[in-house]
Order: sequence, then C-alpha cells, then structure tokens
Amino acid sequence: QVQLQESGPGLVKPSQTLSLTCTVSGGSISSGGYYWGWIRQYPGKGLEWMGYIYFSGLTYYNPSLKSRVTISVDTSKNQISLRLSSVTAADTAVYYCARGQGFYFDSWGRGSLVTVSA
Amino acid sequence: DIVMTQSPDSLAVSLGERATINCKSSQSVLDSSNNKNYLAWYQQKPGQSPKLFIYWASTRESGVPDRFSGSGSGTDFTLTINGLQAEDVAVYYCQQYYSTVPLTFGGGTKVEIK
Repeated sequence: QVQLQESGPGLVKPSQTLSLTCTVSGGSISSGGYYWGWIRQYPGKGLEWMGYIYFSGLTYYNPSLKSRVTISVDTSKNQISLRLSSVTAADTAVYYCARGQGFYFDSWGRGSLVTVSA
Repeated sequence: DIVMTQSPDSLAVSLGERATINCKSSQSVLDSSNNKNYLAWYQQKPGQSPKLFIYWASTRESGVPDRFSGSGSGTDFTLTINGLQAEDVAVYYCQQYYSTVPLTFGGGTKVEIK
C-alpha cells in the first residue's frame, strides 16, 4: 500500500520561499498511471488544490497561485517537491501531498503544518 | 472555476439515524460522452488527513462501509449515511474533477452525534 510523507520546515518567514518534500513509499512514482498533487488546508476547514505533477514532469498549477508555485519530481528518490515563493501569513496551512487517480485523490500524506511568521 | 457549495455546514444526528449531506456545483460535472459524474467525497476525522470515500459520484472506495452512499447527477449530489455510527463523526468534503484546472472542493460538512 502506498504511503506518502511530507517533510520540511514548520516555520517560514514572510516573503521567503516555502519548501516541502513528499517521500513516496510502497510504490514507484515512475511506474505511471497516477498524478501526484499538493493540497493545502487552511485553519478551520477549507481545502485548496495547489497543483499536481506526472512522473514525466508534466505539471498543472492552480491559477490562483499564479507564478508562486513550483512542483517537481525526483524519480530517483521517489519524491515530489513543492516550492511556494513570497509567502505571507495567508499561506499558513497544513500542506498535504496526495496521489491522484483520475484527478481524485486516493492516498494522502499525514500533512505538514507550515506557519508563516516573523 | 467550478464552485462547490455544501450544505449544511454542520449537522447533528442520533446514532442509528440517517445523515444527509448536499453538494452543489456551479456547473454540471456530468460528462455526457461517458455518463459519468466527476465528483468525489472524502471523510476527514479530527487530526487526520482526508480519506477518499466515494468517486464517480456513487462508487465506494474499497473498505468503505455500505452504509455510505453517494447519489446525484449534473450539479446536485448527496452523501447519505444510513445508520450513523459513532466512528462516522467527521467532516465530509465533496470535490469536482470535471474541470482539472483548478480542482475544487466544497467547504465541508461536519457530522456530529446528537
């Protein structure tokens, strides 16, 4: 059974770049057939899809994030990464990586809380 | 963007009773070429990540109890829990994947025990 684990700093200063890594185990990203996405959840409830990547490197991003978001894949490490630039307090959230099958998400990581504060 | 609106925001149901959660999309998520509704439901328990429960509007994910059922088509969808159990206390989200950029979620419905 595939497992996903997010990792990265829990505190980021305003205007800096948030960087997270998702390590996938129990399955190979390069085997294809799935998209690998990042979704964040704001304090309270709301879920926001940020983007996803295919093992080939093909990416799709949420236009609301404009050019601030970058998702990449390292098939040799079986990892996907998220970078979000110019963060503000509004980017404080729990960040999840998830496996997408047909664009719904059938496996999720535990999530990584990132707080943006000076 | 397709906006997903869930109702109610929260509901309290007695054990063993039925819980009904509604999800409405701002435009149809039905693909007439294959007659599939691009709608998923997730369950999120406190302190946990969301878990896929239903996809294609009515197909239960493996391991999901059959007291959970999804229905609806086009723009109006329902998640029904028949015979609420204590372990069903959670927040439930709908998500459309008809428009893949962006994918969008409903605001969530919190289910509690009355």
